[in-house]
Formats: sequence, C-alpha cells, structure tokens
Amino acid sequence: DAGITQSPRHKVTETGTPVTLRCHQTENHRYMYWYRQDPGHGLRLIHYSYGVKDTDKGEVSDGYSVSRSKTEDFLLTLESATSSQTSVYFCAISDSQGGEKLFFGSGTQLSVL
Amino acid sequence: DQQVKQNSPSLSVQEGRISILNCDYTNSMFDYFLWYKKYPAEGPTFLISISSIKDKNEDGRFTVFLNKSAKHLSLHIVPSQPGDSAVYFCAYSGAGSYQLTFGKGTKLSVIP
Repeated sequence: DAGITQSPRHKVTETGTPVTLRCHQTENHRYMYWYRQDPGHGLRLIHYSYGVKDTDKGEVSDGYSVSRSKTEDFLLTLESATSSQTSVYFCAISDSQGGEKLFFGSGTQLSVL
Repeated sequence: DQQVKQNSPSLSVQEGRISILNCDYTNSMFDYFLWYKKYPAEGPTFLISISSIKDKNEDGRFTVFLNKSAKHLSLHIVPSQPGDSAVYFCAYSGAGSYQLTFGKGTKLSVIP
C-alpha cells in the first residue's frame, strides 16, 4: 500500500470552529489531492497541489483552504466549519500529472454539529 | 466540461455470474478512464484503466470496454465473487489536467 496517513481518522466539532486535517505521504509523490465523499455525490475534488507551495482549487473549494510547505504534507483547513462540511475526506497522491492511478488514504470522518 | 455519469446506484449479481457496471461521459477529450473500488471505511483503490486510444483492457477477471462513438464505458467482472461487493467509481483524466473527475458510484452486491 502507498504510504499515506490521514489524521485524525475521526473528528467531531462544532459549527464555527476551525478544523485542520492532515495528510502525510512517504512516497515523495509530487501531486496531492483532497476529495470529499458524500452520498449521492461520489468523490468531489476540493483542492489539489502540484508541488510545494503550488496549489489550486477543485470543484468544491468554497470554505476550504490548503497548504503544502513540504512535499510530504498537505493540510486541509476549514476556517469556520459548517454542518454542510460534514463528510468523509480523502487525501490522495499521484506521481503523474492528470492523476492517473491515484492512491488514497483511509479517510477522515468529520462531523460538524 | 466533462461529466461522467453512473446511472445505476446499485447492482445485485449472483456469485459466479457476470457483473456489468456502466459509465457514460459527455466530452470526447480525455486521456484515460479509470475504475476504482471502494470498501466501507477504506479509501478507494485503483482497479483498472483504459486509454483513449484503446477499446478494451483486460486484467484477470476485470475487463473494461470503451465505446467512443456511444461515449460509454463498461466494467465487466467475470466470474463475480462475494469479495467484489463494493462501490465502484468510474473516473476520467482529461488531457492536460491535473485531476481526476469521478462519477457518483455504483454499489455492487455479489450474492453467494
């Protein structure tokens, strides 16, 4: 399995609080992604990174920010969590542009009450 | 923009029979289509892919067919096994894009 670790695995928080999810990889892959999975929507891209300090928005980026200060770490921040951000969040990595053969982490279940 | 549509939210198949999962797309510009499998409480895992220049790709029990004139691809699993029970996502990689775009998924249940 690709070396991807997401933390925390589960989190419950209250509306309006900031939340940061961490993705750590040991594969030295250039590309990293944050997706969310919701019933009826499949997997939707939030943000992605194509290098250190190089990030861009995905399909559902509103309310989220990301940072990548090192190759191995990609952080997803919810500045002020809302109930609509209750979801399962997956980090993914790839060594090729286009995201062919993404390798996913195990996910973070986030509940915003 | 490219859209990928998996119109069947679920599919039940008897063990040993063929499972056929379908995906339709709207835009002819793409590099690859991919299939991912997802078990509960786990991340999706790559299953098989097909490039835009091919019509078929096979890997063991799994075969993906691409019909470019119909803008349709399908994943065949033969024979189906109970361990194949999972959610299957099709995804496409667009030319020059950094990302994959996923369909909504089809939940396959293989009945022993």
